[in-house]
Amino acid sequence: RKEVEQDPGPFNVPEGATVAFNCTYSNSASQSFFWYRQDCRKEPKLLMSVYSSGNEDGRFTAQLNRASQYISLLIRDSKLSDSATYLCVVNSYNTDKLIFGTGTRLQVFP
Amino acid sequence: DTAVSQTPKYLVTQMGNDKSIKCEQNLGHDTMYWYKQDSKKFLKIMFSYNNKELIINETVPNRFSPKSPDKAHLNLHINSLELGDSAVYFCASSSGFGGPNIQYFGAGTRLSVL
Repeated sequence: RKEVEQDPGPFNVPEGATVAFNCTYSNSASQSFFWYRQDCRKEPKLLMSVYSSGNEDGRFTAQLNRASQYISLLIRDSKLSDSATYLCVVNSYNTDKLIFGTGTRLQVFP
Repeated sequence: DTAVSQTPKYLVTQMGNDKSIKCEQNLGHDTMYWYKQDSKKFLKIMFSYNNKELIINETVPNRFSPKSPDKAHLNLHINSLELGDSAVYFCASSSGFGGPNIQYFGAGTRLSVL
């Protein structure tokens, strides 16, 4: 079983749609959680950290469920510029290892 | 100013050659990393250095040797290149070690071994 699992997609959605991505992680000792975004042929960039109580940044909402070892990302009012691969990332405390999921590809069309 | 810069951006070479990739960060971070992203886009850590000391060394062939002359630089030397080494190599840095420290990535080096 992979340490971090995501549905690879692609998710093809029209502009303005709401889309949700899910991610599960296997290591219950995991302490820090992130969503990174990677555009085609570019480097990963932090989209947002994920906090236990859930957090929102504009159109983006992240949720964490420690009991189920599950992380989600919700994007509201999708824009063409949201088209990218979204990487679920988990960091185990004291190891400094970021474990990346294989990513979920989003394509927003006009 | 580019925060994490890698050179070269593209590297095309023959099997058996030795090559190096350089990385520099101007963020004042203590920790630097090398990642490999393969053709299936899976991003996996190779090495991590904290204040010039090796912290993480994943199961990487010993043909790969990182070198950190100071905490702002982490270079990667690869000996006897093989076809399977073709990938994108990303350098990254973070301000601390472990926990919620965010990592900042360089633009990547696309290595093609022919």
